[in-house]
Amino acid sequence: AQSVAQPEDQVNVAEGNPLTVKCTYSVSGNPYLFWYVQYPNRGLQFLLKYITGDNLVKGSYGFEAEFNKSQTSFHLKKPSALVSDSALYFCAVRPRSGYALNFGKGTSLLVTP
Amino acid sequence: ETGVTQTPRHLVMGMTNKKSLKCEQHLGHNAMYWYKQSAKKPLELMFVYNFKEQTENNSVPSRFSPECPNSSHLFLHLHTLQPEDSALYLCASSHTDPGSGYTFGSGTRLTVV
Repeated sequence: AQSVAQPEDQVNVAEGNPLTVKCTYSVSGNPYLFWYVQYPNRGLQFLLKYITGDNLVKGSYGFEAEFNKSQTSFHLKKPSALVSDSALYFCAVRPRSGYALNFGKGTSLLVTP
Repeated sequence: ETGVTQTPRHLVMGMTNKKSLKCEQHLGHNAMYWYKQSAKKPLELMFVYNFKEQTENNSVPSRFSPECPNSSHLFLHLHTLQPEDSALYLCASSHTDPGSGYTFGSGTRLTVV
């Protein structure tokens, strides 16, 4: 069985501060890992992915994520948060043998001025 | 515009109605998906089509009936729905390469009255 855990329902950050949105996974083998963002009444937008190689992955809008195999984590980070980053963030895992993405329950990020 | 178009954007239907949701992509992707997004619940994978063939049906009630006439179009036929089926229905497409991310449409907001 495979699962993705996002332990925080909501993360609150002041504008300009660094942010972290947490994700851990439980998948056999070496999965592909993704982050998506969803703005209100919109579909999910791709942010970044980890396939192989460097554990620090850079993505859209200044976001990056760090893959940690020993901790089975893939936390999303940004050095300086913007109010416009406020949205719902989803971590997802895709096994190497399949193509169905399994999503975490999402973390609501609120960046205050 | 992501390249995946869903229509209609909003739909209100009675429990005895029959309606269809449409999804269209011209990204050259070979796999298409239906997800259900309900408030405070994780994204639920409903159906997966790979090269027009249904490869997954995650125990979805028969009142939801998918159709994939070709690799560019995906439908979700709805009949005799229940109020708890009210949700945002998201369509996505991807290459079959597991390292590929999904491209999502903006979704159809369905309300069953």
